[in-house]
Amino acid sequence: DAGVIQSPRHEVTEMGQEVTLRCKPISGHNSLFWYRQTMMRGLELLIYFNNNVPIDDSGMPEDRFSAKMPNASFSTLKIQPSEPRDSAVYFCASSLLAGDQETQYFGPGTRLLVL
Amino acid sequence: GENVEQHPSTLSVQEGDSAVIKCTYSDSASNYFPWYKQELGKRPQLIIDIRSNVGEKKDQRIAVTLNKTAKHFSLHITETQPEDSAVYFCAPGPDKLIFGTGTRLQVFP
Repeated sequence: DAGVIQSPRHEVTEMGQEVTLRCKPISGHNSLFWYRQTMMRGLELLIYFNNNVPIDDSGMPEDRFSAKMPNASFSTLKIQPSEPRDSAVYFCASSLLAGDQETQYFGPGTRLLVL
Repeated sequence: GENVEQHPSTLSVQEGDSAVIKCTYSDSASNYFPWYKQELGKRPQLIIDIRSNVGEKKDQRIAVTLNKTAKHFSLHITETQPEDSAVYFCAPGPDKLIFGTGTRLQVFP
């Protein structure tokens, strides 16, 4: 299995531009999580989906952030418009939430820099 | 919401010594207690986890102990090696994991 796949791995953009981050979870997993990691705030859960349905988006910072999961094998996190304070590493993780299978497997992350 | 704290925030040990990191949480509904390791520039990876019906779990040099009454669980690493140097996160759950602030462990040869 290829594991969780994220693209792009690095993104540099200018303030005000739209940014779209992509994630392909591990095949067969039914839950997907988006995290943001910064030195100041640590590893924060932004949103998570179960069976493609958003369950908890209380971590989404503001309306500039949106996430979708149109099918079991793809999710996007969009920032529009982007701001310098959005600069961070964004991780996607997936898990099989069934019985005792709760381990979350992280993707390699997308390092975002907003100038 | 869940409040998760880790102590210490940094830990330096000599190779071969033991290291212990403690995690306290507030949500009494938590029933899943994992520890993740994140090496510099890499993704977090699960190293060990425990469920609320078990008090201790061991996997070679690492172990996790749980005190559900006191709402804390600890990571124990014995015979530390330089490759154990990383940031360690606790993340009590279930479903929605709330990550602690992390403990930076440095193992000096």
